Amino acid sequence: AQTVTQSQPEMSVQEAETVTLSCTYDTSESDYYLFWYKQPPSRQMILVIRQEAYKQQNATENRFSVNFQKAAKSFSLKISDSQLGDAAMYFCAYRSTGLVTFGTGTRLQVTL
Amino acid sequence: EAGVAQSPRYKIIEKRQSVAFWCNPISGHATLYWYQQILGQGPKLLIQFQNNGVVDDSQLPKDRFSAERLKGVDSTLKIQPAKLEDSAVYLCASSPPLRSYNEQFFGPGTRLTVL
Repeated sequence: AQTVTQSQPEMSVQEAETVTLSCTYDTSESDYYLFWYKQPPSRQMILVIRQEAYKQQNATENRFSVNFQKAAKSFSLKISDSQLGDAAMYFCAYRSTGLVTFGTGTRLQVTL
Repeated sequence: EAGVAQSPRYKIIEKRQSVAFWCNPISGHATLYWYQQILGQGPKLLIQFQNNGVVDDSQLPKDRFSAERLKGVDSTLKIQPAKLEDSAVYLCASSPPLRSYNEQFFGPGTRLTVL
């Protein structure tokens, strides 16, 4: 079974600084998708960024970028120029032909 | 574009009672998902529909949970009877056609408390 591990229950970053959230996964599949979702206190889950495993180029969405290391099964999220609105729970998720599997989440705090 | 709608937003019941949740996906989205999110954990997929057929329900506790998606649009998730450990937020999500593997849109969730 696929597993997704987020080893950082909580992270803190100062406004305008950069923070990296870690995610590792375990799979025997070669074709899959990886995602980072943001869940603010209102609890509506929002897709932040996604990466197709067959693409070597790391995905980027404005201030959000990933470091995808397929051999190491690592998928970290980098948030640049952090803003107060980035404060939320961040979930890493894996999707193949089977189930969608989420990690346990990292709570990101943004301080002034 | 209207988002995924869920109701009720909150529900408090006693153990052994029954409860039902409703989800209306984004118009045109063929794939619909129900997740259970226990406090402090990530969402766990309970069931996935493609139109009105079940794609995966391997993590659905079928002795007490049931779900249906009539006419391939709205969906209901039922728990009967509820247990204390069912206290969680139940999230509904939907995906557009041809992109069900790479994009999900989530509703606000229903917070269930079982006393």
